[in-house]
Amino acid sequence: AQKITQTQPGMFVQEKEAVTLDCTYDTSDPSYGLFWYKQPSSGEMIFLIYQGSYDQQNATEGRYSLNFQKARKSANLVISASQLGDSAMYFCAMREDSTGANSKLTFGKGITLSVRP
Amino acid sequence: DTGVSQDPRHKITKRGQNVTFRCDPISEHNRLYWYRQTLGQGPEFLTYFQNEAQLEKSRLLSDRFSAERPKGSFSTLEIQRTEQGDSAMYLCASSLGGGRLGTDTQYFGPGTRLTVL
Repeated sequence: AQKITQTQPGMFVQEKEAVTLDCTYDTSDPSYGLFWYKQPSSGEMIFLIYQGSYDQQNATEGRYSLNFQKARKSANLVISASQLGDSAMYFCAMREDSTGANSKLTFGKGITLSVRP
Repeated sequence: DTGVSQDPRHKITKRGQNVTFRCDPISEHNRLYWYRQTLGQGPEFLTYFQNEAQLEKSRLLSDRFSAERPKGSFSTLEIQRTEQGDSAMYLCASSLGGGRLGTDTQYFGPGTRLTVL
């Protein structure tokens, strides 16, 4: 079974509007972390936001917020006031924390976001 | 504070040749990771170092792959007898390590794009 599922093939949003990128995850580990990264066409993975499984509040970082629904195992990224520079691939990733020293990330397949002027 | 750097950015080689990539992590980071990303997919974990110790290797890392991190600073990833299936983007990431895993965000370099002809 896939640990991270991103099923939206491509998303379009009008500049200055908000957009939600979906991510569902699967783990039996009670302690885990969820991350979102942005990958522009240049290829570099840029860290956006982190949510811990025990965090009581949804994470926010500037225009990015994470809609964390633990019971549904979903961690959707919300981008407010979209900008042209937000056009990129977006990856959801999970780290399972109870596996000892290893802190590897497991990524989804990503979602392409295109912002229209 | 410089980010993660990787060299070279692009490498074209013929099947059967050996290639070596270098990664310089953020200076105070003691954890270093290698990932591989093929077209249309998210990055996949290859291997992980804490300081100079290689703590985990993925099953993706065949015997033709070897990674080192002498003195716990930069790391090299070598692929021997390259095959066309090795064509991918090779991403390096580093993290501070220690303390709560929740703060152990991985920061990625720009990647090395390998093309095997």
